[in-house]
This record gives sequence, C-alpha cells and structure tokens, in this order.
Amino acid sequence: GENVGLHLPTLSVQEGDNSIINCAYSNSASDYFIWYKQESGKGPQFIIDIRSNMDKRQGQRVTVLLNKTVKHLSLQIAATQPGDSAVYFCPAGGYQKVTFGIGTKLQVIP
Amino acid sequence: NAGVMQNPRHLVRRRGQEARLRCSPMKGHSHVYWYRQLPEEGLKFMVYLQKENIIDESGMPKERFSAEFPKEGPSILRIQQVVRGDSAAYFCASTRVKRGESTDTQYFGPGTRLTVL
Repeated sequence: GENVGLHLPTLSVQEGDNSIINCAYSNSASDYFIWYKQESGKGPQFIIDIRSNMDKRQGQRVTVLLNKTVKHLSLQIAATQPGDSAVYFCPAGGYQKVTFGIGTKLQVIP
Repeated sequence: NAGVMQNPRHLVRRRGQEARLRCSPMKGHSHVYWYRQLPEEGLKFMVYLQKENIIDESGMPKERFSAEFPKEGPSILRIQQVVRGDSAAYFCASTRVKRGESTDTQYFGPGTRLTVL
C-alpha cells in the first residue's frame, strides 16, 4: 500500500516569504527521495533529490532536509514567488519503485 | 533532447469504446511508468515496464486495462470498453535506471486527459 503521507494538504504563503512543505514516509528501507512540482494542467517536474546518506541538499532557492530518525523530510523554498504555486509531491522509493502520495498544494498570496 | 512525449494530449471517448494512450520516453531511457490522476488527487501508480517486459503491474485494474512497451515504438496504455470512471489524466514517466544504483529520477510527460462521455 501507500507508504508516503503529507502533513498538510494545502499551504498558503505570502509572496516573498519562505515556504516549508513537510513530508513523512513509513518505509525505513527507502534510500532515495525526490521532490516534484506539478503545476496545474502539467505533468510533475523534478525539483531536487536527496539520498539517505545525506541530511541536507541545496538547490536554487530550494533546500531539502532529511531526518531519517523520524522518517521526515521537508522542502524549503526561499522568497516564494507566484510561479511556485503548484502541488508538491515527495515520493520515496527504493529500487525501481517509487510511491507518490496525495501532495501538498502551495498557494502563493500576492 | 526531447522530453517525454505523450499523445494525444486530450482524448474523448464514448462509453464502450477503446482508448489508446501513447508514451515515447526520453532518448536513452528504457523504462516507463504509467500513472493515473484524478482531479485534486495524487498520482496512482499503474504499471512499470521495460522494453518487451512488464516489471510491475500491481496498480493495474484486473480487467479492461493493458500496457505494453515494444522493442520499437512507444509504450501503449490500452483501455477497452471505457466507462465514465476511467475519465482522468494519465501520465507516463521514463527513467534510465543505472546498473548498480537504486531508483533513478522519473521524467514525466505532459499527460493525456481522457474524458469518457
């Protein structure tokens, strides 16, 4: 069955503020985590990934934090922009199988 | 390098007809996933294929649905005798699983939106 859950289905953030999207996973064997962004009417797009031997990874305006002890990861978006409005997924996976959850909808308030 | 291609982008069928959805993976990718998504919901895994081989079809309905990924040509998701409940967005993703590594990043196509009248 599903092994990924998200804490908040919808998150509203003021433009310019930082966003934090949280994600929990249940399968302790998961060793690879990816954040995807899905804009309305489009397919999911890869944002950033992290492997289980790391606890932090930074990209452009985004940072992913992984806490294996509590099986939790988060996506931080700095200076949130209207273009960040989308649904964010954090599938967790091991070899050849990735499981998506419901996602978190990020709404950016102008 | 073209991304994952899906066609048609929109497909309208009447109940009882057949729907054929096509997915061309990224160049160099030999694995394809199919997902279904209802409005305001997440992605539901359907099937995972390698060329000429179904690796995992645990998410496929037992009847009316089938998928293939031939040696040549796109992957096909086929839905026979469609019903209104089949209306959804169907996404495919491709990966280039590397030998000795775990799950590779999936690159998604734009999806096919199926409407059953």
